Amino acid sequence: QVQLVESGGGVVQPGRSLRLSCAASGFTFSSYGMHWVRQAPGKGLEWVAVIWYDGSNKFYADSVKGRFTISRDNSKNTLYLQMNSLRAEDTAVYYCARDTSDILTGENWFDPWGQGTLVTVSS
Amino acid sequence: DIQMTQSPSSLSASVGDRVTITCRASQSISSYLNWYQQKPGKAPKLLIYAASSLQSGVPSRFSGSGSGTDFTLTISSLQPGDFATYYCQQSYSALGYTFGQGTKLEIK
Repeated sequence: QVQLVESGGGVVQPGRSLRLSCAASGFTFSSYGMHWVRQAPGKGLEWVAVIWYDGSNKFYADSVKGRFTISRDNSKNTLYLQMNSLRAEDTAVYYCARDTSDILTGENWFDPWGQGTLVTVSS
Repeated sequence: DIQMTQSPSSLSASVGDRVTITCRASQSISSYLNWYQQKPGKAPKLLIYAASSLQSGVPSRFSGSGSGTDFTLTISSLQPGDFATYYCQQSYSALGYTFGQGTKLEIK
């Protein structure tokens, strides 16, 4: 079955770095765009970044632009999020999600989602 | 950036009730609107995509409608497992896939 499994979360001090991974299985990873979405404790969902199926395009939320880098290794079926210069406000559960789109209309949606990995930025 | 506003922010209802949640976009997004359900401690789950298409495996009591700037999610007859938080999301702009703030559906 289609599955996404995040890893790499933990407690990190402000200003430090962390890299998250998302291992994909059950589908042709290299054919799909992928997203990172985060959720601060008790808060709503915030889209973080997207990468095209082949890595040719990447877009970021303004809140992480210049600090976070999304990447992928299609040979390993794995998505990454490199997070630098971390701040307290980056504390959140980070989810990866597959982008699925309608070729005819261009409409797209996120499905499925991984179970999430918690990142806590604290001194 | 496209802003998404959901209403209400919270809602109390009973099993069997018909419930409607509204989502408004700050500009026209055609039908680039998705709905997700999230239960405590769990990842979001896709319910409706492209404004009105029911995701496979989702019960038919869930439906979506709207286009342009105004959208609705309707649950025709609430079941115990439907008490959760619901989010709308626009996918019109690849520069920022914004979500609504969420609607928490609670048991009355």
